[in-house]
Amino acid sequence: GEDVEQSLFLSVREGDSSVINCTYTDSSSTYLYWYKQEPGAGLQLLTYIFSNMDMKQDQRLTVLLNKKDKHLSLRIADTQTGDSAIYFCAEGGGKLIFGQGTELSVKP
Amino acid sequence: GAVVSQHPSWVICKSGTSVKIECRSLDFQATTMFWYRQFPKQSLMLMATSNEGSKATYEQGVEKDKFLINHASLTLSTLTVTSAHPEDSSFYICSANRYRGNTEAFFGQGTRLTVV
Repeated sequence: GEDVEQSLFLSVREGDSSVINCTYTDSSSTYLYWYKQEPGAGLQLLTYIFSNMDMKQDQRLTVLLNKKDKHLSLRIADTQTGDSAIYFCAEGGGKLIFGQGTELSVKP
Repeated sequence: GAVVSQHPSWVICKSGTSVKIECRSLDFQATTMFWYRQFPKQSLMLMATSNEGSKATYEQGVEKDKFLINHASLTLSTLTVTSAHPEDSSFYICSANRYRGNTEAFFGQGTRLTVV
């Protein structure tokens, strides 16, 4: 079945760039998503990318998609302490398959 | 963006009782909604697909008699956890799509269920 894999932890210093990586298996996915979850809260959609795109930029966020390798990444420029959260990549359309989540820790 | 609201945000109930969680699409109609479950420090797992006017489709391993889903209108789906046990304690999140097909999913804020 479909599977989405992420590394579990990432620690960066404030002001640095963060890169969170994700691999997926379902090549038929039309959309790929990045969600942010803060402790005890629901999911906040950060951005998504169509499968026919290679890159999407939205302010401090850059999404890169390598469809051949089924690899998705999220780059956060100038990472702030407020960016500390768990980041989930997901594939699908209506129902989504989520990765395990990457816990981003930003140190001052 | 579209708004999906869940109610309640958190609930504590006694073992053996039933709890109903509501998921509403506030500014659009959703023929399909999805229910997910998240254990602490884990990812979201799809429980079922809620279809307006028909039976829900449950994922493998999810007990449909335990987790009753009703999608009675185009803006409301409910999940009822029946005869709750402490192991049912979890974070439940719903999502809805504005349009049919492969499009953006809007999530509710989630419901934290604690069974004591």
